[in-house]
Amino acid sequence: DTEVTQTPKHLVMGMTNKKSLKCEQHMGHRAMYWYKQKAKKPPELMFVYSYEKLSINESVPSRFSPECPNSSLLNLHLHALQPEDSALYLCASSQAGVFDEQYFGPGTRLTVT
Amino acid sequence: GIQVEQSPPDLILQEGANSTLRCNFSDSVNNLQWFHQNPWGQLINLFYIPSGTKQNGRLSATTVATERYSLLYISSSQTTDSGVYFCAVDLNSGYSTLTFGKGTMLLVSP
Repeated sequence: DTEVTQTPKHLVMGMTNKKSLKCEQHMGHRAMYWYKQKAKKPPELMFVYSYEKLSINESVPSRFSPECPNSSLLNLHLHALQPEDSALYLCASSQAGVFDEQYFGPGTRLTVT
Repeated sequence: GIQVEQSPPDLILQEGANSTLRCNFSDSVNNLQWFHQNPWGQLINLFYIPSGTKQNGRLSATTVATERYSLLYISSSQTTDSGVYFCAVDLNSGYSTLTFGKGTMLLVSP
């Protein structure tokens, strides 16, 4: 099974709201990732968790707060977002081994009004 | 950081035609993946191919690591092949921090 699941599929939120995106994998992978993809652009890395520890934060604004409660789950907490944060948010996971193929979830399409 | 260039940026084919997509990268890589992004945004793994040649049905890929390029071949294209094809590379091991090319937008018409 090479499935990564993400909820919700779509999210509309106001600039004063707090919401969370969720990601889950049951492949025994030990690295999990958040990417942001704007329309007609490639995905861009936001955060990397390796063995449940934050390993990379690509200078993402603090209004995005990641959390890795356990090796299967990854959350992205959203607060005080701006309209320009509207995008497709993709979660991925990999084994965290020497040869490290990433598998992506279907994404959450976020609109900030 | 590493640079990834894909060509062509756009491609229009008639159903049944063959095509070759190219990915050039600027440094030695530990990881190279080809993805197909469907119209709903799902990134589908096509190949994990840091070197060598692989085939999967009508698709095949070749990476020549020493010359820093990879090719994706699509034969007998179908309308369901439409979408964006991304090449993504990484220098690291342990966990990968993929850098994506800008993609090739493929439209296959019936």
